[in-house]
Order: sequence, then structure tokens, then C-alpha cells
Amino acid sequence: GAGVSQSPSNKVTEKGKDVELRCDPISGHTALYWYRQSLGQGLEFLIYFQGNSAPDKSGLPSDRFSAERTGGSVSTLTIQRTQQEDSAVYLCASSLESSGSYGEQFFGPGTRLTVL
Amino acid sequence: SQKIEQNSEALNIQEGKTATLTCNYTNYSPAYLQWYRQDPGRGPVFLLLIRENEKEKRKERLKVTFDTTLKQSLFHITASQPADSATYLCALDTGRRALTFGSGTRLQVQP
Repeated sequence: GAGVSQSPSNKVTEKGKDVELRCDPISGHTALYWYRQSLGQGLEFLIYFQGNSAPDKSGLPSDRFSAERTGGSVSTLTIQRTQQEDSAVYLCASSLESSGSYGEQFFGPGTRLTVL
Repeated sequence: SQKIEQNSEALNIQEGKTATLTCNYTNYSPAYLQWYRQDPGRGPVFLLLIRENEKEKRKERLKVTFDTTLKQSLFHITASQPADSATYLCALDTGRRALTFGSGTRLQVQP
């Protein structure tokens, strides 16, 4: 079956522009996560969705970052007024809610964002 | 906040040997711990989960141990193969849904 997909795979933008990153989770997965990974670093948690609501936004680094999820499926991560330090790989993951917090997370391939 | 330490230096071993990777954490013991594999340019792939009341978990050539006294997990790959070369990430439950990941250890298995 289809895994988690993300688009675009690569995005190059100029400093100050807004960008939107998209995530399509595995069908039926109610939990969705966004992480970012800088070169040679571990994954940094950004935000978690349960259905369409985001009970945990604590990882968003600034108010320039926002995310939404519609229909309990597709999610969009928006970065406004991008800065060079936003350059990273943005990873999306989904998991089965029925697994509780013990469930494995299924990751997409990521979007590599480069801010010039 | 929880800190996770994985050896940032690459681990180089010969094919057929056992690779052992270490994950140390600093604060409270998590309810569970997961190991993921990540290949260049790809997202992490789940390998194993071990709960706090489990000492050891096995899956094929993989074995994970969890010592809450030492605050450490060890990840073993027996009879290693060049195809096992990748970065291995340790991830801990934080008491909320999201996982806290270590920065990973790169394993290189030489033929």
C-alpha cells in the first residue's frame, strides 16, 4: 500500500518568502507528526495532530511556523518570511491512533528546504 | 528536558561481526524506546520497540536491550552485512505523543 508522501521533495526559496510543505499520511492513520532534521542532526519535533486538532504545538520554533490538517488526512506546514536557519529537511510521519503512544511512526521521504 | 546521547562517530566493522550501538538518556526513564534506521535522503524506518518492563527484544538479526538503571539501550546487529550500513536512530517516549530522537550513529559494514 501507499506510504507517507510529501511534496515537494525539494524546495529552494529566497529569504523572506513564504513556503508550504505538504504531507499525505497513510490512509486510516489518525496521528500525524512534523519533524525537521538539520544536516547531521537528529529529528526535532515540531507539531503533532490527532485528527484535525493539534494538541501539541510546543515544538514550533517561532510564530512564523504554522500547520493545519484537514479532513483528518492531508497536512500543510507553512513557514512565513523564511530565514536561512529554516533550511533543513522537513519530515512528516503518521501512526495508528489505536496503537496509542507506543505505535511505530511511518515517515515520508521528507522535503529538503533551502533558503538562499 | 530529556537528553539523548548516541555516539556521533561512525562505527566501522567487518562483515560478519556484531555491531553494537549505544543510546544513553539523562533524565526520567521513558515508558518505551524505539530504534529506527535512516538511509541517506530517506525518512527513518522503524525497526524495534522495547518497553520499560522488557529487558530485551529480538527480531531476526537485531537485538535491543533496555537498562533503566544505567539509563541505556544497546542495539545489536549480528552477522552484519554491508546492506546494514546506515544511520541508526534511538527515539524515546516523552510522555506525550511525539518522540525525542537522538542524532544517530552511522554504521559502516566493510565487505
